[in-house]
Amino acid sequence: KAGVTQTPRYLIKTRGQQVTLSCSPISGHRSVSWYQQTPGQGLQFLFEYFSETQRNKGNFPGRFSGRQFSNSRSEMNVSTLELGDSALYLCASSFSGGALDTQYFGPGTRLTVL
Amino acid sequence: AQRVTQPEKLLSVFKGAPVELKCNYSYSGSPELFWYVQYSRQRLQLLLRHISRESIKGFTADLNKGETSFHLKKPFAQEEDSAMYYCALKGQAAGNKLTFGGGTRVLVKP
Repeated sequence: KAGVTQTPRYLIKTRGQQVTLSCSPISGHRSVSWYQQTPGQGLQFLFEYFSETQRNKGNFPGRFSGRQFSNSRSEMNVSTLELGDSALYLCASSFSGGALDTQYFGPGTRLTVL
Repeated sequence: AQRVTQPEKLLSVFKGAPVELKCNYSYSGSPELFWYVQYSRQRLQLLLRHISRESIKGFTADLNKGETSFHLKKPFAQEEDSAMYYCALKGQAAGNKLTFGGGTRVLVKP
């Protein structure tokens, strides 16, 4: 099976702009989760989508949003970018999120905000 | 609130020596605990989970609910074990929200 893919792999934006990141899960997986990784805060959960519905949400401002399409592909959007949004954004997919369900991570998108 | 703490940022051991990575958690219910590993230039991947009670690559971890700990151990470290290790917790609510610890970098010296 092909692994989780994320596009683009690298992105440079300026403050105030908005950005959209994409994640394609492993075929058959219906759950997609997003995480932000920074040196200071580590890995933090953003949100999870399952069957096109947001199932869980982390403690991030409303500037961070996401969605999932009927083919399980997911996008996350960050509006009005701030310098502190510079991070590695990881997505992870799994079949359903139940016990013994394994999350598979993508390579990440490195976002730099100038 | 759920929290995971990994007190060591860096562990440096010699090849063949035992290695133990500490993980403590805070959660009011019965969590699922995991260890994830990230080798250099590779993706984050699951190493093991407490519910499976398995040994992967010689690593084991025991969930101690009394001490709220899930320490990772290996009796004889190998150079290929050098990596970043993350302890993670999933709560009882449905879904895939993982709370990660800050990570421990393991360096195995020859």
